[in-house]
Amino acid sequence: GAVVSQHPSRVICKSGTSVKIECRSLDFQATTMFWYRQFPKKSLMLMATSNEGSKATYEQGVEKDKFLINHASLTLSTLTVTSAHPEDSSFYICSARGGHSNTEAFFGQGTRLTVV
Amino acid sequence: AQSVTQLGSHVSVSEGALVLLRCNYSSSVPPYLFWYVQYPNQGLQLLLKYTTGATLVKGINGFEAEFKKSETSFHLTKPSAHMSDAAEYFCAVSDSGSARQLTFGSGTQLTVLP
Repeated sequence: GAVVSQHPSRVICKSGTSVKIECRSLDFQATTMFWYRQFPKKSLMLMATSNEGSKATYEQGVEKDKFLINHASLTLSTLTVTSAHPEDSSFYICSARGGHSNTEAFFGQGTRLTVV
Repeated sequence: AQSVTQLGSHVSVSEGALVLLRCNYSSSVPPYLFWYVQYPNQGLQLLLKYTTGATLVKGINGFEAEFKKSETSFHLTKPSAHMSDAAEYFCAVSDSGSARQLTFGSGTQLTVLP
């Protein structure tokens, strides 16, 4: 299957700083990328959908100014958590759809963000 | 709108026993259905998917699922559990056609007892 690489896998940052998480499709062109947040013992909550070259579509309740998403190329999307606070600590997962299969999304390994 | 219900947030089975994880969905259009597995602090790995055609779908690691439209179900089974199957399992649904996003169930934690 296609490979999606997410980096970093773990990050610890201080309150008030910003953190960037990268999501790369390694062997296919991702026309659409999705960003999810997963709370402990909970399911995945879709935060936003991004299409290459256009603005991301955010789900209701997700602050677009806090969670900046950029999908600058067909192989890279980034999520920047701005002015992070402890309540932003979570597991963030990206997925990408595209290539020969438009019915399957391929997931990154996830990023564990801890804000101290 | 689509939704997924996974009955049982925790399921325990003995090693070698049958695994049955339940998933019911609702969708106003013909659905694409997926089962994913997640190990601690890792992303999701696709186990199997149903798009069209044969309703019994075989996936990796000996898992299979059957799409039953009349019951709006897509239960995941494995004849004989292995210790390495212990993980979190998510059922998900997507709309057909220009499928864009997945709607996930709340997940089922599978514990395999020795």
